[in-house]
Amino acid sequence: KAGVTQTPRYLIKTRGQQVTLSCSPISGHRSVSWYQQTPGQGLQFLFEYFSETQRNKGNFPGRFSGRQFSNSRSEMNVSTLELGDSALYLCASSFNGGSYEQYFGPGTRLTVT
Amino acid sequence: ILNVEQSPQSLHVQEGDSTNFTCSFPSSNFYALHWYRWETAKSPEALFVMTLNGDEKKKGRISATLNTKEGYSYLYIKGSQPEDSATYLCASMNYGGATNKLIFGTGTLLAVQP
Repeated sequence: KAGVTQTPRYLIKTRGQQVTLSCSPISGHRSVSWYQQTPGQGLQFLFEYFSETQRNKGNFPGRFSGRQFSNSRSEMNVSTLELGDSALYLCASSFNGGSYEQYFGPGTRLTVT
Repeated sequence: ILNVEQSPQSLHVQEGDSTNFTCSFPSSNFYALHWYRWETAKSPEALFVMTLNGDEKKKGRISATLNTKEGYSYLYIKGSQPEDSATYLCASMNYGGATNKLIFGTGTLLAVQP
């Protein structure tokens, strides 16, 4: 079956702008999690959505938000971009999170100038 | 410990060597421990998810053990091959009140020389 897809793959934005990233999970998976990776840091958990509801949230400012649609596709939005938001953003889908394996997408590389 | 820690940070071995890495995680309110392999220019790939103390899982030449009481997991690679070169990540999920989240370590970078 098709894997996790993310769009766009690369993005360049300027400070102060906002950005929306999209993630389409594996068919049948209801949990979508978002992660940020910056140089020297491990994957930092942003949030998890399950059945259109935010189920878990990491320690990121309110500028980072997300949502999930009825078909389990998820979007992540970052408003008022800062230089420090430059990172690789990965989404991962799983059947139900927790003790289930997560399947990662290829990521979106965001550069903020 | 409050974070997930992995050691060593990096490892260089010769083809055919066996190797192992360590993942330390919070033992309180433990729920699950994940291992992933992340090759350059690819997405992280799930290796194992373990939940029970004493659990041992194996996939080909790779195996992992779990000790939830003391908060550590070992990943073993037997007879390393160049294609095993990757960053190996572990992640712990612990019950945290209203928020249960997967906390990743910074990974062990393995380079296997032919």
